Amino acid sequence: AQSVTQLGSHVSVSEGALVLLRCNYSSSVPPYLFWYVQYPNQGLQLLLKYTTGATLVKGINGFEAEFKKSETSFHLTKPSAHMSDAAEYFCAVSASSFSGYSTLTFGKGTMLLVSP
Amino acid sequence: SAVISQKPSRDICQRGTSLTIQCQVDSQVTMMFWYRQQPGQSLTLIATANQGSEATYESGFVIDKFPISRPNLTFSTLTVSNMSPEDSSIYLCSVELQGSGYTFGSGTRLTVV
Repeated sequence: AQSVTQLGSHVSVSEGALVLLRCNYSSSVPPYLFWYVQYPNQGLQLLLKYTTGATLVKGINGFEAEFKKSETSFHLTKPSAHMSDAAEYFCAVSASSFSGYSTLTFGKGTMLLVSP
Repeated sequence: SAVISQKPSRDICQRGTSLTIQCQVDSQVTMMFWYRQQPGQSLTLIATANQGSEATYESGFVIDKFPISRPNLTFSTLTVSNMSPEDSSIYLCSVELQGSGYTFGSGTRLTVV
């Protein structure tokens, strides 16, 4: 079974600082990996995804993530945080559910706090 | 990517009652997924709804509590039955489109009092 671990339930950065949100996964098969963002009182928005090919994936809003198979990691980064980046971020791996369909297994989420 | 309309966006319900949540997609999709996000928690898959067949429920979820309908390729409903305060959560529907990944509705924020 697949699983996702996000290190740190809360991460605080100053505006303009580097954002690093950590995600490690376990999977018995080559994984598809995703990062989603959830703004307050809203649904989930896809930031980026890795399926195959280039291991450095660029997403929306200046975010990127690198798939490192040897480290089973898919950390999310952004060079310079904006106040508008404050939200909850979820890492997810595509997994086979009980039903047999391919669905998403989510990490517990990391709340990003950005201070002026 | 698909556009998903989910309603209601929020509701406050009395315990013992039921609420039906609707999910409309602007594209035809084979499978639709229903998730629950309890307060301060991550998302947990409730069930997978395939048009023309019974929904398939994940461990810990049963049809009597969360009946699902899937009458066509663009629409599904999830009912939360005989609600208790423990059912207070955000409920989200999701679809997967080839090449676009998984798209989520904006969620239904349910409070049971």
